[in-house]
Amino acid sequence: DTGVSQDPRHKITKRGQNVTFRCDPISEHNRLYWYRQTLGQGPEFLTYFQNEAQLEKSRLLSDRFSAERPKGSFSTLEIQRTEQGDSAMYLCASSLPRIGANVLTFGAGSRLTVL
Amino acid sequence: DAKTTQPTSMDCAEGRAANLPCNHSTISGNEYVYWYRQIHSQGPQYIIHGLKNNETNEMASLIITEDRKSSTLILPHATLRDTAVYYCIVRSAFGNEKLTFGTGTRLTIIP
Repeated sequence: DTGVSQDPRHKITKRGQNVTFRCDPISEHNRLYWYRQTLGQGPEFLTYFQNEAQLEKSRLLSDRFSAERPKGSFSTLEIQRTEQGDSAMYLCASSLPRIGANVLTFGAGSRLTVL
Repeated sequence: DAKTTQPTSMDCAEGRAANLPCNHSTISGNEYVYWYRQIHSQGPQYIIHGLKNNETNEMASLIITEDRKSSTLILPHATLRDTAVYYCIVRSAFGNEKLTFGTGTRLTIIP
């Protein structure tokens, strides 16, 4: 069990550039979540997938953000035309489908710094 | 999902039990209580969850009051590695799939 993997762990970019983060969930988990966390705050939900279907998107996910999970396995989160306000930790989590208790396993996150 | 209220910060001496309270007075009957923690620069880590009964695992115990309006996470013998932000989250068993995090309690274990 390799857990949830995220890549890259750190990304520094200039304002206006595009960045892409990748998340590899635990292999048998068909649910995948993206969260964003800024300094001093708890993680904020962005979006989630069940298999390849994107089932919910937060209003935080502006038009510059797009997430995909093309084959129901790994996922990518792309931010276009980055802004300084996009600087944050981007967290990915995965889980099994389950009615009742649903435990999410998080990755270590990808920290984005926009200069 | 019901809102939770936690103290902003707490200290606990190493080796003692750390008791972290959480108020969720508007919780409904089908909502679970989850606890996660986040050590600096890492992703959140699941600790424990419960619905009505008290729960215990290798990491912690969860005590839920009879009216379910509050709960306490107990770390029985705190170590320095337990220094982290602890999040209490209430989530419905049905429908809404995401966990909604607040700002949590910053627990500092003091040597």
